[in-house]
Formats: sequence, structure tokens, C-alpha cells
Amino acid sequence: EVQLLESGGGLVQPGGSLRLSCAASGFILGSYAMSWVRQAPGKGLEWVSVISGSGGSAYYGESVKGRFTISRDNSKNTLYLQMNSLRVEDTAVYYCAKIPPVTAWYFDYWGQGTLVTVSS
Amino acid sequence: SYELTQPPSVSVSPGQTASITCSGEKLGDKYGYWYQQKPGQSPVLVIYEDNKRPSGIPERFSGSNSGNTATLTISGTQAMDEAEYYCQAWDSSTVTFGGGTKLSVL
Repeated sequence: EVQLLESGGGLVQPGGSLRLSCAASGFILGSYAMSWVRQAPGKGLEWVSVISGSGGSAYYGESVKGRFTISRDNSKNTLYLQMNSLRVEDTAVYYCAKIPPVTAWYFDYWGQGTLVTVSS
Repeated sequence: SYELTQPPSVSVSPGQTASITCSGEKLGDKYGYWYQQKPGQSPVLVIYEDNKRPSGIPERFSGSNSGNTATLTISGTQAMDEAEYYCQAWDSSTVTFGGGTKLSVL
């Protein structure tokens, strides 16, 4: 059974940093591209980032480009999101999501999410 | 940037057919995807590649995509289908979600 378990969320001040983790089980992480998607309180879904299965390629949404870095450690079955220069508008539940082994990016499994609150 | 537009809300009576639209420029040239999200839960994929259902998704969920509009159709809508629905497209290394549609089963 595919399981994705996010951790690392919490309260951080504007301008601060936070690293999220997503522990994967039930499949071989290195065989799949992975993504982070966020959802601000009471709002819709917003794509954040995608990383290839090997970790050699990464892509970002415009709102986080230059501030967030996605990475992975396939030996630990773990996906990461390093978030720097955090802003109030980055407050959201952050989901990690698995991408099927196809050329298109969509998400067949989602974690339960971890809440990041950026506030002074 | 690419945009997808959904109606904020759709209402349907139990047992009737619900249709939720998603509009975007030349969306029919891309694949459309749909997710269901119930309050306090993570999104669940219900339709991929315009009209395919993942394992475990009931047959009453179907999809289509042509021109500028993708449509999610729920036939014989049940109370358990009340949720927020999001469409999604992918192109040029970017993922776009629609704003979401609240489906009320009244």
C-alpha cells in the first residue's frame, strides 16, 4: 500500500526557513517523480514543485521559484522541501504527492499534509 | 500563465446527474485531470487523462475534454459525492489547478 507521510510543518516568522519531509512507503521512491502541492486555509490547490525520479531535474511554481528547493534521498525513501525567505502568503497545508510513471504530471497518491504557518 | 476556470458551486439532487466544467485555452489539446477533496481530507484522483477512472473510483464518475472545456460528470449522484472538485492540467513543465467547485447534494 502506497503511503506518504509529511512532517516538519509548524510556526515560523516571516523571513525564516523550514524544511519539510515526506516519508514514502509501499513503492520504490526512486522510480517516480514526486511533487509538493499546497493549499492555503480555505483556498484551492496550488502546485509548488516537481522533482524527477533521479533528482536530476526540478521545477517550481512562479510564487516559490528562488526561495524553495525540492530534493530527495531515494536511499531513505524521503522527499524534502527546503523553504527559505518565507512569507505570510506561504501559510498553507503542504502535501507531497506521487506522480505515475507517465510523461504527464498528475498525482495518483497524496499524503495527509503538514501545516506551515508563517506569522510574526 | 495558464488558467483554468471552474464554477464556484454546483448543486444537484440525489440520484441526478451533476456536471462540473473546467475552462482553459485549448484545454482539449491537453489532458484533463480531476480530484475530489472532502473537508479535512487530502485530494483523491477521480479522473485522469480526460476520461479514465483510477481503480476504486465508482463508474458513476466520468469525464470528457474537448475544445476549451473539460467536464466531470457524476451520474446518479450520492450524498457521499458532496465535496470540492478540482480540475488540473499540465503543460510546459507547469501544473495548473482550477479554483475548485463545491458540489452540494441537496
